[in-house]
Amino acid sequence: TQLLEQSPQFLSIQEGENLTVYCNSSSVFSSLQWYRQEPGEGPVLLVTVVTGGEVKKLKRLTFQFGDARKDSSLHITAAQPGDTGLYLCAGVGGDDMRFGAGTRLTVKP
Amino acid sequence: GAGVSQSPRYKVTKRGQDVALRCDPISGHVSLYWYRQALGQGPEFLTYFNYEAQQDKSGLPNDRFSAERPEGSISTLTIQRTEQRDSAMYRCASSRSNTGELFFGEGSRLTVL
Repeated sequence: TQLLEQSPQFLSIQEGENLTVYCNSSSVFSSLQWYRQEPGEGPVLLVTVVTGGEVKKLKRLTFQFGDARKDSSLHITAAQPGDTGLYLCAGVGGDDMRFGAGTRLTVKP
Repeated sequence: GAGVSQSPRYKVTKRGQDVALRCDPISGHVSLYWYRQALGQGPEFLTYFNYEAQQDKSGLPNDRFSAERPEGSISTLTIQRTEQRDSAMYRCASSRSNTGELFFGEGSRLTVL
């Protein structure tokens, strides 16, 4: 069982600020996915990273997969209230998918 | 169907009763996962299937929990002799493969009184 640790657990910032959230593990993953979940909804995939060192950008969101494929980060530039939600990382190690506990982000206008 | 469908959306039951939660995945999706999610927390893995075969059930909390997917499509998560600590949102997700994008249903919120 791979344990994924996400930090920080909670983050509250003002609109326009930048932020980074982290997903760490002692296990190596073949791929890692980031999801965002809004209240009352199921998680929705943002991105999948596969290659160590890979960087993917999705508008103001930048995702990076660690060189050793054990960790990942999500950086948001100029956060907006619409970015508010629970950000989850999910790792594929063996043949199933496990989630971290998430980072709850609140962006205040 | 167009998306993952779960039923019932809400279930209130008395302690000691059995409950069955149903998941109808996206047509053609090979993999089906069950998760349990506490408010504000990430999904906790329970079990998953590829086609009709249960690949991993290590996340099931105890032997009161079981799941099946007999024809490789619809899945049922059964909780016997429910306890208050079983109260949670139970989410099902399906995927084209066991490592692909997960599509989640709206969940079944179980309340055990």
